[in-house]
Amino acid sequence: DTEVTQTPKHLVMGMTNKKSLKCEQHMGHRAMYWYKQKAKKPPELMFVYSYEKLSINESVPSRFSPECPNSSLLNLHLHALQPEDSALYLCASSQVGLGGAKNIQYFGAGTRLSVL
Amino acid sequence: DAKTTQPNSMESNEEEPVHLPCNHSTISGTDYIHWYRQLPSQGPEYVIHGLTSNVNNRMASLAIAEDRKSSTLILHRATLRDAAVYYCILRRYNNDMRFGAGTRLTVKP
Repeated sequence: DTEVTQTPKHLVMGMTNKKSLKCEQHMGHRAMYWYKQKAKKPPELMFVYSYEKLSINESVPSRFSPECPNSSLLNLHLHALQPEDSALYLCASSQVGLGGAKNIQYFGAGTRLSVL
Repeated sequence: DAKTTQPNSMESNEEEPVHLPCNHSTISGTDYIHWYRQLPSQGPEYVIHGLTSNVNNRMASLAIAEDRKSSTLILHRATLRDAAVYYCILRRYNNDMRFGAGTRLTVKP
């Protein structure tokens, strides 16, 4: 099973709402990632978790709050978003470390978020 | 941060080979060269990766220059299903993987 599952597939929220995006994998990967992708642009790295600890935060605004409750789950909590935060949010996972198959990232299909 | 430079777009005819170039002149000794592709309405998909030697797998081949400052992804026989955005990425030691602008490949029947 090389699947990364993201829910929901689509989300529409108002600027005062609180919502969460969920990502799940059962490949035993200990590194998990959030990316943001605007239309016709490449994915931008937001956060990296390694062994359930936040290892990279790309100066993302605090209205995005990541959480890694266990080695299979990754959440992205959203609060007081702006319309410019509308984008495709991608989750990925990989093994930790360099070399061979450990390098491969597996991506989910993403959550398409619209902020009104 | 090490960056990659790719052509914005390329075209190919179906069943012909395609060579997708990537420049990464600031690559460091521990950076792996990765290629991913993204089909419409999907998340990125791993294609191939390498460190110093050329690599082959069922999807493609990766040719890495001797000085590692450039690489080329080779699709041996392009099909319509290969139409996608191809990203050349330098993966750092700490799981840091940042996408460049990518090359949009169009395959003509």
